[in-house]
Amino acid sequence: QKEVEQDPGPLSVPEGAIVSLNCTYSNSAFQYFMWYRQYSRKGPELLMYTYSSGNKEDGRFTAQVDKSSKYISLFIRDSQPSDSATYLCAMNSGFQKLVFGTGTRLLVSP
Amino acid sequence: DSGVTQTPKHLITATGQRVTLRCSPRSGDLSVYWYQQSLDQGLQFLIQYYNGEERAKGNILERFSAQQFPDLHSELNLSSLELGDSALYFCASGRPPGSEQFFGPGTRLTVL
Repeated sequence: QKEVEQDPGPLSVPEGAIVSLNCTYSNSAFQYFMWYRQYSRKGPELLMYTYSSGNKEDGRFTAQVDKSSKYISLFIRDSQPSDSATYLCAMNSGFQKLVFGTGTRLLVSP
Repeated sequence: DSGVTQTPKHLITATGQRVTLRCSPRSGDLSVYWYQQSLDQGLQFLIQYYNGEERAKGNILERFSAQQFPDLHSELNLSSLELGDSALYFCASGRPPGSEQFFGPGTRLTVL
């Protein structure tokens, strides 16, 4: 079993939809949770960074962490075609390597 | 732009050869991480350096080695290359106590 599980998609939505992306994990030592956006063959771009449980909002993006369920989510409001990319969840227990999900490919159609 | 630079962008080489990938971290970041991304394996951690010292090793083959220099740039050396080494290689940098990492644009390695 992988430490981090993520549905690979693709997830197809119309422009303006609310998108929900999720990851589950098994290692209870993980305390820091990140979401990265990766356009095809480009470097991952850090979108959201959260410590422990709770919510964090940044513009159209909201990250949620539920440590009791070992479940994290990223919500994208008013999705745009430019949001079409692969979204990777990542996590670690401190100043060390990140463990990544496999990524969910999102397609937002005009 | 994350502030992390990587060169070259693309490398095409033959099996059995040796290549060197270079990374410069963000200004002020002392730690460099190397990751490999292949289609079937996702992003896999290879090795971490902090202020010139190796800090952690992941799934790095013995044919691969890395180092971090006094000016904090890092190099990843891949030798005796095999077809299966074809992948995107990313460098990321960060600084304690934060856990977030910022990724460079990557080097695409093709082994023919």
